[in-house]
Amino acid sequence: GEDVEQSLFLSVREGDSSVINCTYTDSSSTYLYWYKQEPGAGLQLLTYIFSNMDMKQDQRLTVLLNKKDKHLSLRIADTQTGDSAIYFCAESPGFQKLVFGTGTRLLVSP
Amino acid sequence: DAEITQSPRHKITETGRQVTLACHQTWNHNNMFWYRQDLGHGLRLIHYSYGVQDTNKGEVSDGYSVSRSNTEDLPLTLESAASSQTSVYFCASSDSGNVLTFGAGSRLTVL
Repeated sequence: GEDVEQSLFLSVREGDSSVINCTYTDSSSTYLYWYKQEPGAGLQLLTYIFSNMDMKQDQRLTVLLNKKDKHLSLRIADTQTGDSAIYFCAESPGFQKLVFGTGTRLLVSP
Repeated sequence: DAEITQSPRHKITETGRQVTLACHQTWNHNNMFWYRQDLGHGLRLIHYSYGVQDTNKGEVSDGYSVSRSNTEDLPLTLESAASSQTSVYFCASSDSGNVLTFGAGSRLTVL
C-alpha cells in the first residue's frame, strides 16, 4: 500500500544545516515533492524532484533521491528561524493524486 | 489574484449534526481535493474531483460526501458528525499537474 514515513521532529540551531528524511513506498511515482506548512496556514510547495534525478538544488535547498532505497531527503543550508515549520514529503502514486507523509516539525533556535 | 478560500475557518458542532465545509477556488482548476490533518497521520485524502460531476473516494472517505456542480466549488459534508472527525480540514486544487494549491484550513471540533 501507499505509505510515506518521516520522523516527527527535528531541532537545529540557526546557521546550521537541517536534513529532513522521508521514505516512500511507490516506486512508480513520477515526481516526489516537499511541501512546507507554516503555523495556521495551508501547505505550500517548496520544491520537487523528477524520479529520474538523483539531486536537485534550489538556492538553500538540496533534494536527494535514492530510488533503490526509496529514500528522499531535504537539506536546508544556513537554517534560519523563519524556516521553522512542518515539512511534508509526498509521492504521486496515481493520476494527479498525492500521498503525504506524516510531516516533520522543524524547530530552529537562535 | 486567484485564490482558494475555505469557510468557516473554525467550527464547533455536536455529535450527530450535519456539517458542511465550503471550498471555493478562482484558479479555474479542474482538480479539487479534501484532506484532513491529524497529529501522527499527516494529511489523508478524503475525497477528490477531476471535474464537474466527477467525485472519487480517498483513503478515509467514510462519513463524508462531496458534490461538484461547478468548477469553483467542492463542499465537504459530514452527514452525522462524530468525535473522530475532529480535525483540521484542507481543501486543495490543481491544474493538470501534481502541484497543489491549498486553502488555509478549517478547524472542526465535534463535541
